Amino acid sequence: DVKVTQSSRYLVKRTGEKVFLECVQDMDHENMFWYRQDPGLGLRLIYFSYDVKMKEKGDIPEGYSVSREKKERFSLILESASTNQTSMYLCASSVSEDTQYFGPGTRLTVL
Amino acid sequence: GDSVTQMEGPVTLSEEAFLTINCTYTATGYPSLFWYVQYPGEGLQLLLKATKADDKGSNKGFEATYRKETTSFHLEKGSVQVSDSAVYFCALTPLNYGGATNKLIFGTGTLLAVQP
Repeated sequence: DVKVTQSSRYLVKRTGEKVFLECVQDMDHENMFWYRQDPGLGLRLIYFSYDVKMKEKGDIPEGYSVSREKKERFSLILESASTNQTSMYLCASSVSEDTQYFGPGTRLTVL
Repeated sequence: GDSVTQMEGPVTLSEEAFLTINCTYTATGYPSLFWYVQYPGEGLQLLLKATKADDKGSNKGFEATYRKETTSFHLEKGSVQVSDSAVYFCALTPLNYGGATNKLIFGTGTLLAVQP
């Protein structure tokens, strides 16, 4: 079975902290994605990666960075968390332009 | 740019009622179209997809037909169950000059609540 896992289901951080969200997939997929999900806005793409050490900005990259050192792992980094980054973060992976497989999500609260 | 518009929810239905969730899109060329479903407390999972005009995607009793002339991909089910309660997202894969991209553009989601 396809498996995308995220390091935490719930996370509470303070303003200004550096936050790492980890995502691991076991399907040998080339592409990995980070989205944030907010009520009334749907899913918005933050960053994606189509290969190891490769990354591209999505629609809302400001305040975020990413790292992909290994094919199976894609990390989202909030350099200095702010309250407007309180959200649900979803990771996904895919082969080519085919179906994306999603993790369960991390609900991040920044106080 | 490319975009997806879907009906706002929540949609509240009684069990065994007929369901329609409207989705229209704006895109260049012929994008692939998807419906994803998010059950409470879970990530998204693919429900069905269609890759060209007039294709019908179907799964678990849900259907959607790719209508190029009306730029629509409405989701339907003849008889909903309580277990269908979830958020439903319409999405497309935009194209560029090199062909299909790897990205998805999502609608805002429609919450479906089915009551016994």
